[in-house]
Amino acid sequence: GEDVEQSLFLSVREGDSSVINCTYTDSSSTYLYWYKQEPGAGLQLLTYIFSNMDMKQDQRLTVLLNKKDKHLSLRIADTQTGDSAIYFCAESSPNNAGNMLTFGGGTRLMVKP
Amino acid sequence: EADIYQTPRYLVIGTGKKITLECSQTMGHDKMYWYQQDPGMELHLIHYSYGVNSTEKGDLSSESTVSRIRTEHFPLTLESARPSHTSQYLCASSETSGGKEHTDTQYFGPGTRLTVL
Repeated sequence: GEDVEQSLFLSVREGDSSVINCTYTDSSSTYLYWYKQEPGAGLQLLTYIFSNMDMKQDQRLTVLLNKKDKHLSLRIADTQTGDSAIYFCAESSPNNAGNMLTFGGGTRLMVKP
Repeated sequence: EADIYQTPRYLVIGTGKKITLECSQTMGHDKMYWYQQDPGMELHLIHYSYGVNSTEKGDLSSESTVSRIRTEHFPLTLESARPSHTSQYLCASSETSGGKEHTDTQYFGPGTRLTVL
């Protein structure tokens, strides 16, 4: 089946920018997502991008999509301690049964004061 | 903001007990999902439903069962809990076509942390 990969950990200092990366294999992906999971909670939708877009910005969040390389990134500007969480990327595709999402394994972001 | 609820939030239970984890959504979504999340963070789809009276097994084999008698309700049952069932269980739903969001976006409940002793 199709695959979505993320690095396991990222550590940054408060005030720096964070960049979380994701690669996927499905060339038919239609939408790509970023979710945030805080400790003991469910997944919260942060943002998503349609596959014909290169970039989407929403306040401190910038999503970049390189469709040719099948690479998605999430940049968090001015990272705060409250941004410490697990971040999941996901993709939807007509290749997935019922257009369900395929999730990456999650990146744990640690923000040091 | 998503209106999807899970109860209980935490459950500690002994081996052999029957348990039901509840999931409800008030958004009228047809599609609903159950994920099991291991301590290594990865999500595993264990069940999903396209609508009332539809239930399908997911990618990860699970001894649990689900039912979908009403659109808003998607309970998960373990007939005889074992320590290997200890995990975080996440419920999600997604919109049917024609809604304001495209159909694939999934909205998650807060999760149930199950511990089987």
